[in-house]
Amino acid sequence: EVQLVESGGGLVQPGGSLRLSCAASGFTFSSYGMSWVRQAPGKGLEWVSLISSSGGSTSYADSMKGRFIISRDNSKNTLYLHVNSLRAEDTAVYYCAKYYYDNSGPFDSWGQGTLVTVSS
Amino acid sequence: QSVLTQPPSVSGAPGQRVTISCTGSSSNIGSGYDVHWYQQLPETAPKLLIFDNSNRPSGVPDRFSGSKSGTSASLAITGLQAEDEADYYCQSYDSSLRGWMFGGGTKLTVL
Repeated sequence: EVQLVESGGGLVQPGGSLRLSCAASGFTFSSYGMSWVRQAPGKGLEWVSLISSSGGSTSYADSMKGRFIISRDNSKNTLYLHVNSLRAEDTAVYYCAKYYYDNSGPFDSWGQGTLVTVSS
Repeated sequence: QSVLTQPPSVSGAPGQRVTISCTGSSSNIGSGYDVHWYQQLPETAPKLLIFDNSNRPSGVPDRFSGSKSGTSASLAITGLQAEDEADYYCQSYDSSLRGWMFGGGTKLTVL
């Protein structure tokens, strides 16, 4: 059974940083591209970033470029998202998600999410 | 404003059929990119409901179906049940924005 478990969220001041982690199990992690998707309180889903199975290719939503960095450690079956220069509007539940196909397609498995709250 | 437009809400009585539309443009759905649909029950993570326009993952009842035409896609739910009450999101890739896009979401209420 595929399991994705996010961690690392919490309360952070504006301008601060966090590192979010997503521990994967139940599938060959190194064979699948992964993504981060966030959801602000009471709002819809917003794609954040994706990384290829090898880690050699990354992509970001425009509003996150330059502030967020996605990475992965295939030896540890773990996905990361470094979030920097945080703003109040970055407050959201951050989900990690696995591609259905190797490096494309829908997101067929999601974690339970980790809440990031940006506030002074 | 989302690149993919969904109605904010739909409703129906148990047993009825409802449809949820997802309207895009020539840079996403109209370019041939597949549409995927997710169901999000209250306080839970999204769940893949329909992929590649009209395919159901194993375990999804055949009451749920998807279609795509031109720059739009639709999700249909027949035999509405109370447990279907949730938020539904469409997703597609946008070549202009070079990333994945979600619709704004549609809240389904079962009357």
